[in-house]
Parts: sequence; structure tokens; C-alpha cells
Amino acid sequence: DVVMTQSPLSLPVTLGQPASISCRSSQSLVYSDGNTYLNWFQQRPGQSPRRLIYKVSNRDSGVPDRFSGSGSGTDFTLKISRVEAEDVGVYYCMQGTHWSWTFGQGTKVEIK
Amino acid sequence: QVQLVESGGGLVKPGGSLRLSCAASGFTFSDYYMSWIRQAPGKGLEWVSYISSSGSTIYYADSVKGRFTISRDNAKNSLYLQMNSLRAEDTAVYYCAREVDVWGKGTTVTVSS
Repeated sequence: DVVMTQSPLSLPVTLGQPASISCRSSQSLVYSDGNTYLNWFQQRPGQSPRRLIYKVSNRDSGVPDRFSGSGSGTDFTLKISRVEAEDVGVYYCMQGTHWSWTFGQGTKVEIK
Repeated sequence: QVQLVESGGGLVKPGGSLRLSCAASGFTFSDYYMSWIRQAPGKGLEWVSYISSSGSTIYYADSVKGRFTISRDNAKNSLYLQMNSLRAEDTAVYYCAREVDVWGKGTTVTVSS
């Protein structure tokens, strides 16, 4: 299986400050159709995961524009430009290129 | 609105069986592939199984292959997961997902004697 490695695993952030989460895959996530199926999810405490970003950099409907995704190949990043209180939770990257689809370990974002 | 509602979870002894269901509404169910994903207590996410829109293509995680069976009934807008030979390590919240963009609230499966 493709191993997805996130860092850091814990991210204390001051309100209004930026945050960045890295996700690296053990092999390229470029699919045969040319797309890269790398998603980012947010899981708030006590809630189901919610997709924020699909195909590396596309925001889902209703996702604030302070969230952005970037990267290519095996190296990807989720950035929050200015952290708000509602952003507290665990963030997961997930690859949908190679079955079995796999998630990163999760990064816990908390407010300092 | 788009909604997925899981049911069928509960407490079962090791070696036992459960059948999970997921009722879909608010979209054309037969147009989408569906999945089951699980989350053990305090742990991360694990993809369990995938089924294509027609049901013709199915994948399983190695951890459940041979024990779990995914199926769907497009006429009933429903997704299922038959779980046999359950083990303690199958204890988790099981989520139904439409492709990867919409998730249900989950149903809890506990395998314990």
C-alpha cells in the first residue's frame, strides 16, 4: 500500500496566524489519466470527516478560501492562511490514486 | 439535501457477524461509487471497501478481505457491508461515503466478549 506520511502530527497555532501541514506519499500519486488524486479532510471533534480539498488544490463548495492545497508527485501541503477557532480538529491527507486508498496519520491542529 | 445514514452497528462477540446498512438520499445513488471507511477508537481513518456505481467493481482492504462483503441496491438507494468472522481489531466507527466527498455520521461496531 502507498504510505502517506504527515508532519507535524501536532500543530499548536495562534489565532490569526498561518498554519501548514505536509503530506508525503511513498510513491507518485499521478494517475494514468494525468490527474493526481490527493485529498485533504478536516475532522472536527465529535464529527465525521469533511473533505476540504480534492485533486491537490481544488476547494470543495463552502470551504473558506483561507484553506489552500498545493504540491505534486509525492509532496503535498495544506495551508491555512489565518487560523480561526473553528479550524480546530484533525486534518488528514488521503490518496485515491492507488488501491487500497490510504490516509495519513492525521495532524491535530489546536489553538495555543 | 445529500444525506447518508448508517445503521446496523452494535456489540458482537469475536467470530460473530453484523450487517451494516447505509441509506442514501438527496442525490442519484446509482450515479456514484460508494465506500465504507472505518475509524478505530482514538485512531485514524482506514478505507475498508469500495463498490462502483453499477456494483461490477469491488475492492477490499487486505485487513477485511475474505471476511467482509460490500453490496448495493440501487433501486433502494442503499449500501451494505456484511461483516463475518469479526475480530476485536474490527472495533470502530464505520462510515459510509459517497465517493470521497460526502460522509455519513457513522455507526459504531464493538467486537468484544
